[in-house]
Amino acid sequence: DTAVSQTPKYLVTQMGNDKSIKCEQNLGHDTMYWYKQDSKKFLKIMFSYNNKELIINETVPNRFSPKSPDKAHLNLHINSLELGDSAVYFCASSQDGWTGSRWELFFGEGSRLTVL
Amino acid sequence: AQSVAQPEDQVNVAEGNPLTVKCTYSVSGNPYLFWYVQYPNRGLQFLLKYITGDNLVKGSYGFEAEFNKSQTSFHLKKPSALVSDSALYFCAVRASEAGGYNKLIFGAGTRLAVHP
Repeated sequence: DTAVSQTPKYLVTQMGNDKSIKCEQNLGHDTMYWYKQDSKKFLKIMFSYNNKELIINETVPNRFSPKSPDKAHLNLHINSLELGDSAVYFCASSQDGWTGSRWELFFGEGSRLTVL
Repeated sequence: AQSVAQPEDQVNVAEGNPLTVKCTYSVSGNPYLFWYVQYPNRGLQFLLKYITGDNLVKGSYGFEAEFNKSQTSFHLKKPSALVSDSALYFCAVRASEAGGYNKLIFGAGTRLAVHP
């Protein structure tokens, strides 16, 4: 069973469109994240939710709207897509109630978004 | 602010030789340090972490990392490289947000190329 799964894996769309990426984790974690990996492979956090509550929002354009219907799901909706949104988006999860020695992030396989 | 630097874009090593991928960090307080590996078109896989204790941390696939507090470094090492180790390696530091929530801040990544 895949621990953190994202759909779709690949997404090709036109500028101006709206698209969504879905993420689900079956690890029982209470915190989920979206990271963006740009064309230079640099990874940067976008958002984090803890038990459906937004806890980290890293200066991301408001065209990006995360939604967490429950603690096992974190979706990312992007409005009015721009060329610069082309990237690989990674979902991740963790359990923040753990003591420090146990904490780590578990990543999904990524969703490659190409905006034409 | 917490940050991680990986000074080498690429490391080339012959199969069977030892490898080192460098990482230095800047944190306030005790560092929680991680190494992740990314194979082509895949997500990030956890290799190892340093929280406290022994400065030499052993991880997956025969990798280890040495924590050096005086040099603020956390270099990834392997005694004998395999061609299959060729991948993108990320060093990361855990940063805590208000409310005690955590995120990973990643270095820019180092591409390891192991030649037969």
